[in-house]
Amino acid sequence: EAQVTQNPRYLITVTGKKLTVTCSQNMNHEYMSWYRQDPGLGLRQIYYSMNVEVTDKGDVPEGYKVSRKEKRNFPLILESPSPNQTSLYFCASALAGANAYEQYFGPGTRLTVT
Amino acid sequence: AQKITQTQPGMFVQEKEAVTLDCTYDTSDQSYGLFWYKQPSSGEMIFLIYQGSYDEQNATEGRYSLNFQKARKSANLVISASQLGDSAMYFCAMREGGDDKIIFGKGTRLHILP
Repeated sequence: EAQVTQNPRYLITVTGKKLTVTCSQNMNHEYMSWYRQDPGLGLRQIYYSMNVEVTDKGDVPEGYKVSRKEKRNFPLILESPSPNQTSLYFCASALAGANAYEQYFGPGTRLTVT
Repeated sequence: AQKITQTQPGMFVQEKEAVTLDCTYDTSDQSYGLFWYKQPSSGEMIFLIYQGSYDEQNATEGRYSLNFQKARKSANLVISASQLGDSAMYFCAMREGGDDKIIFGKGTRLHILP
């Protein structure tokens, strides 16, 4: 089954404790992306990647890191989480180029930073 | 300035009526793509429809059509014969041709009334 998986689905952590949210896709997609969703703000892109070892900043990259060492994986790293990073996070993947519009989204990770 | 504007935070529509969800965009690129996603209360993101800036005909996918008015920079989603299952949050998004960023609007919450 074609899918994007994220782990964990739910996470409660404390300020400053480094965490990683994993994202993996099995569709051989070149394009992968991370978004955060906050009430009233819609989805905002954090980082995206067009291929292995290629990553670029989205609209809200501050406080986040990503890496793309393998095509299927695109982990999101919060080196020192803060309460304003409490949010619902989505990973997505798509074919590259003009087809990048049809993104396949993971189920979301709800992160709470206290 | 917002690049994607969805002016209707919420809408209530009677079942079986047609629905138009508004979306206006701002770009100076000639090449861009516009798309709509649905997010039911369960939280997953579902791709609905795509319109390329060079497409001469409005995109259609089943009960969904995209009313693309390039000169007015609008890309409204039309849902024909609405159903109770159409109750959800709807997001308009854009990918500009010279960039691989994807920008989402803040969404419209649609309620279909029986």
